[in-house]
Amino acid sequence: SAVISQKPSRDICQRGTSLTIQCQVDSQVTMMFWYRQQPGQSLTLIATANQGSEATYESGFVIDKFPISRPNLTFSTLTVSNMSPEDSSIYLCSVVGQGPYEQYFGPGTRLTVT
Amino acid sequence: DQQVKQNSPSLSVQEGRISILNCDYTNSMFDYFLWYKKYPAEGPTFLISISSIKDKNEDGRFTVFLNKSAKHLSLHIVPSQPGDSAVYFCAASLTGNQFYFGTGTSLTVIP
Repeated sequence: SAVISQKPSRDICQRGTSLTIQCQVDSQVTMMFWYRQQPGQSLTLIATANQGSEATYESGFVIDKFPISRPNLTFSTLTVSNMSPEDSSIYLCSVVGQGPYEQYFGPGTRLTVT
Repeated sequence: DQQVKQNSPSLSVQEGRISILNCDYTNSMFDYFLWYKKYPAEGPTFLISISSIKDKNEDGRFTVFLNKSAKHLSLHIVPSQPGDSAVYFCAASLTGNQFYFGTGTSLTVIP
């Protein structure tokens, strides 16, 4: 199984600022996913990040708000730009696991925007 | 539009008894269903899955049942243990390219 770490684990940010979340995997993976879990809501896929290509964003998410970098096969970043209180969520990265459609998740980054 | 729903936000069960967690979905094209378990301050971890061509999959104390006609799946944990206390998410997939998660059910197993 893959071991995934995320930095920071939590942060409190002011409205209008940006935060970059890092995701590090202990093995090379082709696809990485970024999810958001707002309070009381389900995990929602933000985008899929493949190394060497532009990230693919899901409906309702745009690159200007959530730019993603994928410089190599073990690392990715998600930036939450121009934050508002509605961006307060847990942000998780994940990679494809061994079983069909299985995913391994990082521990998440708990973001609070004041 | 919530395509996967877990209508029970919480469940309490006595140790040794059966825990049944339920999940409903709306899209009949989903071809794979998964259950994840999440402890506080950790990411979800994969627990068990089932293909849409099956109606039951068992792994130790965990069994997932799928009722396609009712668009319903359930996770049975027998016997329940205090270490099973966590939030359980069900998820559904469309050909492995799109994933939809429920809102989770918080299970508490009382010693």
